[in-house]
Amino acid sequence: GEDVEQSLFLSVREGDSSVINCTYTDSSSTYLYWYKQEPGAGLQLLTYIFSNMDMKQDQRLTVLLNKKDKHLSLRIADTQTGDSAIYFCAESLSGGYQKVTFGIGTKLQVIP
Amino acid sequence: GAGVSQSPSNKVTEKGKDVELRCDPISGHTALYWYRQSLGQGLEFLIYFQGNSAPDKSGLPSDRFSAERTGGSVSTLTIQRTQQEDSAVYLCASSLALGGETQYFGPGTRLLVL
Repeated sequence: GEDVEQSLFLSVREGDSSVINCTYTDSSSTYLYWYKQEPGAGLQLLTYIFSNMDMKQDQRLTVLLNKKDKHLSLRIADTQTGDSAIYFCAESLSGGYQKVTFGIGTKLQVIP
Repeated sequence: GAGVSQSPSNKVTEKGKDVELRCDPISGHTALYWYRQSLGQGLEFLIYFQGNSAPDKSGLPSDRFSAERTGGSVSTLTIQRTQQEDSAVYLCASSLALGGETQYFGPGTRLLVL
């Protein structure tokens, strides 16, 4: 079955780059997502990447996908205190049914 | 509406009582999902609706959990005879079914069972 794994915690200094890593098990995953959850709030889609891509950049965010190793990463450049949140990696399979499997989430702490 | 809304935002109930959680998806989104987020856990898929039908109920943790969707819009998740382990944040998401790879989440309902 599907499984998504992430490290639980990451601490970085303001202004540095953050890299949050994720591994998944299902090679037929079509879409891979990064969601952000701020304290007391719901999930917000940050970005997603199709499995036929290996990189996607959106302002300060860079997503890298290594399909061979089933490894996904999210790089946040010039990390700000407002980036402190829990970041969820997620995958969904191809087909009309969009069940999404989430990782446990990585808590990013940005130190001023 | 502009986004997915859920009500109530917080619910405290006594063990053994029934609760109903409501989700209003984004207008026009035909797919609707319920997830549960327990303390220290990732998101657990509960159930998915395509229109008013739920082709996959495999994620519901027990027969105390049920969900329905009427008119292809609002959905209600009902938990009967609540237990303390049901305490969690219940998140609803919706997406466009056709090419709708992106799910948009509501703020969640925080359920506490005493």
